[in-house]
Amino acid sequence: EDQVTQSPEALRLQEGESSSLNCSYTVSGLRGLFWYRQDPGKGPEFLFTLYSAGEEKEKERLKATLTKKESFLHITAPKPEDSATYLCAVPISGGYNKLIFGAGTRLAVHP
Amino acid sequence: EPEVTQTPSHQVTQMGQEVILRCVPISNHLYFYWYRQILGQKVEFLVSFYNNEISEKSEIFDDQFSVERPDGSNFTLKIRSTKLEDSAMYFCASGSRDRGEQFFGPGTRLTVL
Repeated sequence: EDQVTQSPEALRLQEGESSSLNCSYTVSGLRGLFWYRQDPGKGPEFLFTLYSAGEEKEKERLKATLTKKESFLHITAPKPEDSATYLCAVPISGGYNKLIFGAGTRLAVHP
Repeated sequence: EPEVTQTPSHQVTQMGQEVILRCVPISNHLYFYWYRQILGQKVEFLVSFYNNEISEKSEIFDDQFSVERPDGSNFTLKIRSTKLEDSAMYFCASGSRDRGEQFFGPGTRLTVL
């Protein structure tokens, strides 16, 4: 069964304290992995797409990487405004554009 | 920067009533989606729409649900007879290419009483 699992569920960091979030997936024939940021009561905001193992994407303090079984979202020197829930999503096996989402990691960055 | 918009932001309805949720996707996008998120749960796929027809739908998307693109700019989700368990945030998304990024709107919070 296609599945996306994110860890940890919640993460509390001090401002400037770097860390990584994990997204592991079990889909056959990965056709992309998407990272989103979601603020409370808002829609998911697109961050990155990764298509093949070894690929990396960067945006400001965030860097996403992909292996054959998991993806990491590295946050370098986070600021309080990075506090949000980070979601990863993949298209299901054999489907077209139906995304399945992980439960997310709730990140809180304190000054 | 172009964005997906949704109206209303919050809809309160009585059980059994029909509701229509509206979305304006990004203007040059061809792929349209509805997802929902029950409070505290994962974002769940409902339906995808391309070339004026449904391309995929989930088990949640039963006969009570329908989608329409009535003109060149709007994309709607209709729930014919709402149930308490339909209470959720409903997100519209759009994309410019097959198997590409999906850009989400701000959502409509549906409350069924």
